[in-house]
Amino acid sequence: NAGVMQNPRHLVRRRGQEARLRCSPMKGHSHVYWYRQLPEEGLKFMVYLQKENIIDESGMPKERFSAEFPKEGPSILRIQQVVRGDSAAYFCASSPITSGVLEGDFFGPGTRLTVL
Amino acid sequence: DQQVKQNSPSLSVQEGRISILNCDYTNSMFDYFLWYKKYPAEGPTFLISISSIKDKNEDGRFTVFLNKSAKHLSLHIVPSQPGDSAVYFCAASAVTSGTYKYIFGTGTRLKVLA
Repeated sequence: NAGVMQNPRHLVRRRGQEARLRCSPMKGHSHVYWYRQLPEEGLKFMVYLQKENIIDESGMPKERFSAEFPKEGPSILRIQQVVRGDSAAYFCASSPITSGVLEGDFFGPGTRLTVL
Repeated sequence: DQQVKQNSPSLSVQEGRISILNCDYTNSMFDYFLWYKKYPAEGPTFLISISSIKDKNEDGRFTVFLNKSAKHLSLHIVPSQPGDSAVYFCAASAVTSGTYKYIFGTGTRLKVLA
């Protein structure tokens, strides 16, 4: 009964490189959320996806960031041409299909991105 | 614009005493609130939630109080234990608007002294 899995746990990139962060939701969960935590700050919502659909990307920077949740495989958060300001912890959460109130999403352990 | 605020960045409490963590919000559309606990290098762990139709929810040592008129919620931990030392985040969502995204506060670091 694995929880939300994220890999890699730590990622180091040089400025201008691409970063790919992966999130495998809990079994049976078809909703994925990505959050970013900058140093000394709270978690900030980035994007909400269902399988093959982006539902809400209002928290995503307009440039360089993209997310997908394909029919098969993990959700991917992609950051192109990384800059130092992208250094943060990126958390993924998943939840099951529900039409009611959520009892609390399940968060993965996070990917800590360091941009040199 | 910080819609969810945790004005105390840190709190120290003696073991066995009550810990009270506070959270204020500004958006009257928020109708569901959660508290998460986070240890270093781990993801947040869900603790307890409360819907806006209630003013109190209790789960073991954890109780959340909601004061809608003041747009304020608090988490009470009693008795506090050293293992409760962590960063606590409150989060709010406007579930009835259908987005299910949570707005998090900046966290309060709780230290329970043995």
